[in-house]
Amino acid sequence: NAGVTQTPKFQVLKTGQSMTLQCAQDMNHEYMSWYRQDPGMGLRLIHYSVGAGITDQGEVPNGYNVSRSTTEDFPLRLLSAAPSQTSVYFCASSRTRYNSPLHFGNGTRLTVT
Amino acid sequence: AQRVTQPEKLLSVFKGAPVELKCNYSYSGSPELFWYVQYSRQRLQLLLRHISRESIKGFTADLNKGETSFHLKKPFAQEEDSAMYYCALSGGVTYGGSQGNLIFGKGTKLSVKP
Repeated sequence: NAGVTQTPKFQVLKTGQSMTLQCAQDMNHEYMSWYRQDPGMGLRLIHYSVGAGITDQGEVPNGYNVSRSTTEDFPLRLLSAAPSQTSVYFCASSRTRYNSPLHFGNGTRLTVT
Repeated sequence: AQRVTQPEKLLSVFKGAPVELKCNYSYSGSPELFWYVQYSRQRLQLLLRHISRESIKGFTADLNKGETSFHLKKPFAQEEDSAMYYCALSGGVTYGGSQGNLIFGKGTKLSVKP
């Protein structure tokens, strides 16, 4: 039981490049989400999903896309990377959306130059 | 709107001293409150939640609806408690929509000195 797995751990992009951050969970969790962690800002919700085929925007969705074709996977796509997207990205999942503890991945440290 | 405020960015105490990490929230209904912890080079993990009313690693937190607070306390700090602590709030199933998501405070870094 690996829990929530994120890849890659580190990534450097140039402005304008696109990439996908991968997230997979093996706990059959219904709810998945992406957060970014910035110094002094805490964790801010980017996008979330309440089940396969259902996604919605969080607090800071601009510049990011998500899809949820399976229960297990919830990739985050950066369409055209910008320096403002330099951050640590965390994927998290929980059994249900409400009142269930979140299980976090190890994070992806992204630098955009 | 939901909001979680952690007024201290950094809290530094000596080993054996009491610790209180403050958390205040803004929410019109009955929220679910959580504390998450991130130790150095580890993933975020749940420390405790108010509905379970349990003590984890010696930490406790009481929900005070009158003061809209959920402060985290430990009577005697240990060096291994040094970490980043996040208070988080969810609106719960009653309200649905985006309020069901977990909203985090900005975090407090606890440093316990020997």
